[in-house]
Amino acid sequence: EDKVVQSPLSLVVHEGDTVTLNCSYEVTNFRSLLWYKQEKKAPTFLFMLTSSGIEKKSGRLSSILDKKELFSILNITATQTGDSAVYLCAVEPWGTNAGNMLTFGGGTRLMVKP
Amino acid sequence: KAGVTQTPRYLIKTRGQQVTLSCSPISGHRSVSWYQQTPGQGLQFLFEYFSETQRNKGNFPGRFSGRQFSNSRSEMNVSTLELGDSALYLCASSLLGQEGNTIYFGEGSWLTVV
Repeated sequence: EDKVVQSPLSLVVHEGDTVTLNCSYEVTNFRSLLWYKQEKKAPTFLFMLTSSGIEKKSGRLSSILDKKELFSILNITATQTGDSAVYLCAVEPWGTNAGNMLTFGGGTRLMVKP
Repeated sequence: KAGVTQTPRYLIKTRGQQVTLSCSPISGHRSVSWYQQTPGQGLQFLFEYFSETQRNKGNFPGRFSGRQFSNSRSEMNVSTLELGDSALYLCASSLLGQEGNTIYFGEGSWLTVV
């Protein structure tokens, strides 16, 4: 059974801090790992990672995947109060019929204080 | 371009009743998947449809069913509702459900069973 574990469960930081969120996984036939940000509504897509060691960046957010050690990290630099949210990590299996069948971790709840 | 649209957004049902939730994917997207989100279990995969066929199914009882229409719109149905079915039901769509296809989520339908 596929499994995704995120840490820490929750995190409180102050504006301007840098945070690192962790995601480890066990999945049969790994295809991709995805990061989403969820406030009180739809999870919004952040990154899709398929290859090891290639950092993806979007503004103050970046993420990297290690397929040998089976984990990914999401970094947020110069945090802002608008970054407060639950960050979800999910893995997608490979296979003819795999389609979009994501296994999610429990999420990391980030609170950024002014 | 409109996002994934789910209706209704909020509903309250009584134990034993049944409910139907609707999802309109992003225009042109043919893969639609459904997820249940609860505080205790997190986000869990229900099923995925592509070209009107159920391609994948998660570990949920047969009371949970779905279908997809020729225009890619999808519905899910839960029969004989139980208190534990209270959750946020999220619909997601992607172009073809293939590698590299970004998966976009709707804002969800909040179901409360009393």
